[in-house]
Amino acid sequence: DGGITQSPKYLFRKEGQNVTLSCEQNLNHDAMYWYRQDPGQGLRLIYYSQIVNDFQKGDIAEGYSVSREKKESFPLTVTSAQKNPTAFYLCASSMGGWDTEAFFGQGTRLTVV
Amino acid sequence: RKEVEQDPGPFNVPEGATVAFNCTYSNSASQSFFWYRQDCRKEPKLLMSVYSSGNEDGRFTAQLNRASQYISLLIRDSKLSDSATYLCAVNQAGTALIFGKGTTLSVSS
Repeated sequence: DGGITQSPKYLFRKEGQNVTLSCEQNLNHDAMYWYRQDPGQGLRLIYYSQIVNDFQKGDIAEGYSVSREKKESFPLTVTSAQKNPTAFYLCASSMGGWDTEAFFGQGTRLTVV
Repeated sequence: RKEVEQDPGPFNVPEGATVAFNCTYSNSASQSFFWYRQDCRKEPKLLMSVYSSGNEDGRFTAQLNRASQYISLLIRDSKLSDSATYLCAVNQAGTALIFGKGTTLSVSS
């Protein structure tokens, strides 16, 4: 089945540790995105990539890093510099371009204690 | 001013009611528009795209007003299963979808 896979679904980490969230897609989409959602809030853009080996910061990139070495994969690292990392993280992909909708993975709930 | 703003909600309506949500966007260069539905603790799922001519999918109708920079979603004959959060999303060329905070709809029997 084609789709976007995020893993793990739930993740617990101690404060001060870096953690990497996985996002893989087999839709042959060029563009991939990472969003963060806090309770009662909309989605805020962290990073996006329109093509392999290229990515841009979104609105809240501080404390996060990404890589795009393969078309299928766009991992997100939450670093210890992120002051409030506990959130619901959503990865999405699209064909790219201005008129294409994005499709989401099931998300990763990260809790930092 | 935020890039994408939505009615704050929540909207509490009885079954069978008609309900409308509005969403305004600030960037006049925005080129595509979408409505997503998000159930509690789940990922957003595309409900429908929004075109200048307006589009309809069953009980759902979406409209775009470029002059006033807003999009709308109309739900007719509300069902209990329509209870969810509705997110509008706006795409600016070459970047990514920007989302509103969402409007929560609760349909009761």
